[in-house]
Amino acid sequence: AQSVTQLGSHVSVSEGALVLLRCNYSSSVPPYLFWYVQYPNQGLQLLLKYTTGATLVKGINGFEAEFKKSETSFHLTKPSAHMSDAAEYFCAVRKASGTYKYIFGTGTRLKVLA
Amino acid sequence: DSGVTQTPKHLITATGQRVTLRCSPRSGDLSVYWYQQSLDQGLQFLIQYYNGEERAKGNILERFSAQQFPDLHSELNLSSLELGDSALYFCASSVGLGTVNTGELFFGEGSRLTVL
Repeated sequence: AQSVTQLGSHVSVSEGALVLLRCNYSSSVPPYLFWYVQYPNQGLQLLLKYTTGATLVKGINGFEAEFKKSETSFHLTKPSAHMSDAAEYFCAVRKASGTYKYIFGTGTRLKVLA
Repeated sequence: DSGVTQTPKHLITATGQRVTLRCSPRSGDLSVYWYQQSLDQGLQFLIQYYNGEERAKGNILERFSAQQFPDLHSELNLSSLELGDSALYFCASSVGLGTVNTGELFFGEGSRLTVL
């Protein structure tokens, strides 16, 4: 069965500091991996995704993530945090084939300190 | 704007009642997913439909049911409501099935249900 673990339900960083949100997954077959962001009172919006090919993927708003198969990880990073990055971030996994069930992590709430 | 429309945005009802949440997927998307988001449970997958047929089931209670209609809109029916059913219910859509589908989910803004 697939699963996603996000380490740290709350992360605080100073404005301008590196953002690192951790995601580890479990999947018996090659996965597709996603990061979503949710701003207050809004739906989830895709930040970036990994399907095949280059393991370092770039997304919107300066975020990027690297797929590391050996570590079963897909951590999200941004070199310099901005106040507008404060939101909840969700990592998700889906099988590349077969049932199209997307499994989400429990989310990490990012707080950016001035 | 994701193109996924959910109604109503807010709903307040009493225990024991029944409600229906509606979702219109993005134009052209055949697959619809329902998720429940609550503070203590995170984002829980409920059920998926593809072109009118149920394709995958998650942690959906027997009191809950869903369907997808020929025009591809979907409804989630919640009955015998309990206080614990209070949550944000999201609908999401994607292009569909098939190995060429590497697509992400597109989420609506959710329907916030409060059961008193």
